[in-house]
Amino acid sequence: ETGVTQTPRHLVMGMTNKKSLKCEQHLGHNAMYWYKQSAKKPLELMFVYNFKEQTENNSVPSRFSPECPNSSHLFLHLHTLQPEDSALYLCASSQGRIDYGYTFGSGTRLTVV
Amino acid sequence: AQSVTQLDSQVPVFEEAPVELRCNYSSSVSVYLFWYVQYPNQGLQLLLKYLSGSTLVKGINGFEAEFNKSQTSFHLRKPSVHISDTAEYFCAVMENNAGNMLTFGGGTRLMVKP
Repeated sequence: ETGVTQTPRHLVMGMTNKKSLKCEQHLGHNAMYWYKQSAKKPLELMFVYNFKEQTENNSVPSRFSPECPNSSHLFLHLHTLQPEDSALYLCASSQGRIDYGYTFGSGTRLTVV
Repeated sequence: AQSVTQLDSQVPVFEEAPVELRCNYSSSVSVYLFWYVQYPNQGLQLLLKYLSGSTLVKGINGFEAEFNKSQTSFHLRKPSVHISDTAEYFCAVMENNAGNMLTFGGGTRLMVKP
């Protein structure tokens, strides 16, 4: 158990479906992140939330919609995805201090069919 | 803006042999450097970090890395690898004015063979 929990671990969805990914941390961290990890590509930062406020949106398509209702929970709402969106989606949290680094969840493996 | 280059996408090595995974970065300001490891079907786990002070840093599982400012490198080393070290390794950099934002390299897959 890493302290950051992501559900579900695996998700298969059709291109017309709507689904949500959930991330939860009880480490007292005040920043949360969504990363996309595709095969043979570097980790891509998607969204950053600091104290529940979105501070970074890295040119992510609108079919991905984040939500951060409180500092412990982060969601990624998905709709009308494309097959190229299939990837491992990683959530991370941090204290907001450099020396603590990030704590990552185990990820959600998403397959769009 | 900072960038990170991991020159080797895959590094095969025999068990008990030494290994070095290379990482170079570019930045116009001072940086903090990290190595993360990702085992199959898991998230990333912090191996070690350089913030300041001694340029040789030691991490978990017997790994160490050396910060070389003149060569803008932060190579990861282990004197004797085990089968269990087979994983993906990511180098990451954070600029000191980047608001706690990490930029990752493309990763290096370490494959330890018996």
